[in-house]
Amino acid sequence: GAGVSQSPRYKVAKRGQDVALRCDPISGHVSLFWYQQALGQGPEFLTYFQNEAQLDKSGLPSDRFFAERPEGSVSTLKIQRTQQEDSAVYLCASSLWEEAGNTIYFGEGSWLTVV
Amino acid sequence: TQLLEQSPQFLSIQEGENLTVYCNSSSVFSSLQWYRQEPGEGPVLLVTVVTGGEVKKLKRLTFQFGDARKDSSLHITAAQPGDTGLYLCAGEKVRTGANNLFFGTGTRLTVIP
Repeated sequence: GAGVSQSPRYKVAKRGQDVALRCDPISGHVSLFWYQQALGQGPEFLTYFQNEAQLDKSGLPSDRFFAERPEGSVSTLKIQRTQQEDSAVYLCASSLWEEAGNTIYFGEGSWLTVV
Repeated sequence: TQLLEQSPQFLSIQEGENLTVYCNSSSVFSSLQWYRQEPGEGPVLLVTVVTGGEVKKLKRLTFQFGDARKDSSLHITAAQPGDTGLYLCAGEKVRTGANNLFFGTGTRLTVIP
């Protein structure tokens, strides 16, 4: 498809389980972002890639969170030893360039519930 | 911690009424974007304002960027049930090697037929 694609759309994980969330950005987009959106809140920045380089990971809440984009296209957000407070929607977004004012396109999100 | 505060957080109005949503911060942004998010979907960009004092209109929606580029407002005229959704403002900060969007707390609008 032409948009940002995320999988899985829905994931239920038992506390302590590891999860991996995948993002396929729009083809050719240089910038890729991950956001976390708790219920009823606005998205919060997690990490940013420019091609394969992770330029900012200041929003990752703990060392249990890890993101990669090894070939500069598909990205994976991994959460180790999930906890209940990790329950949220994880949004991936991409944009063509890193310039200011550039349009950012969001995927539909991966809904994670930790039980 | 979110840099942008939106008000009101929830708004329920009758069809045909006007409304204004506010987005405030103590930080200066290079641009300010407004998004609308439907349940189960990602945010969809409505507009980007870049210049302090800029006003943009999109049909019944009017967006304004504050002179100091710290705040913004969204005004909807004659609201319709199709306007129902979560409205998010997002400020962009440009830094060397990265640009970041900082989202507001969101305003959930319900327009009652």
